[in-house]
Amino acid sequence: DTEVTQTPKHLVMGMTNKKSLKCEQHMGHRAMYWYKQKAKKPPELMFVYSYEKLSINESVPSRFSPECPNSSLLNLHLHALQPEDSALYLCASSRGLADPREQYFGPGTRLTVT
Amino acid sequence: KQEVTQIPAALSVPEGENLVLNCSFTDSAIYNLQWFRQDPGKGLTSLLLIQSSQREQTSGRLNASLDKSSGRSTLYIAASQPGDSATYLCAVRSGGGADGLTFGKGTHLIIQP
Repeated sequence: DTEVTQTPKHLVMGMTNKKSLKCEQHMGHRAMYWYKQKAKKPPELMFVYSYEKLSINESVPSRFSPECPNSSLLNLHLHALQPEDSALYLCASSRGLADPREQYFGPGTRLTVT
Repeated sequence: KQEVTQIPAALSVPEGENLVLNCSFTDSAIYNLQWFRQDPGKGLTSLLLIQSSQREQTSGRLNASLDKSSGRSTLYIAASQPGDSATYLCAVRSGGGADGLTFGKGTHLIIQP
C-alpha cells in the first residue's frame, strides 16, 4: 500500500470558521509533510514532522496549526484564514528524514476561503 | 537557498514524438531528485527518484538522468501519448536531514492526438 489519503477533498470555509484537514498513511513512514500549492504555482513546503515531532516550520502564519497525533496521522487545523489562503493543500510522507527515499503525495484538499 | 528551474515552461508536440524536459538546480549538494506528474486539480504522482549517487533511472517509457556536478536533470519521454499530457514537476531534496522538497515551476506538456 503506497497510498496517502486526505480528507476532505474540497472545503469551503468563512474567515471566522475553524476547520481541520486530515492526512493518513499506513506505509510505516516516520516523516510527514504539509505543502501548499497556489494555482499555477509549484508546491511550497509548510511543515515537516519527524517521529511525530515538528522539525520544520517554514515561517507559516499561526492561523495554520499542524498536529501529528500518531505516526500514521497528520492534521492541519485552520482558524481565521484569509481569502489568499485558498489553495490546494498537499500532504506527503516518506520513510524518514535521515533516509532520503521518495516522498509519496496525497490527492490534496482544495480549500476555498470566502 | 536552493532554486529549481524547469525549461520549457510549456510544450506541445504531436503524438509519437520523443521529448526531453529539463531541470536545473543551483545547489549541487542534494540528497535526491524526484520527477512528478500532476494532472489539473489533482495531487502529485511520483514518476522517478534519482539518488544523488545515481546517474539515471528508468521506468517504462521514462528515463531520468542526473548530473549533480552541473546541477542538471533531464526527463526523457519516449513515444509520447495523449495520456502523457500533464504538468511535470522536478523537485530536489537538499542537504540536511530535515528538508522537504524544493520544486520547479513545472513544464506543462500537451500531446496532440
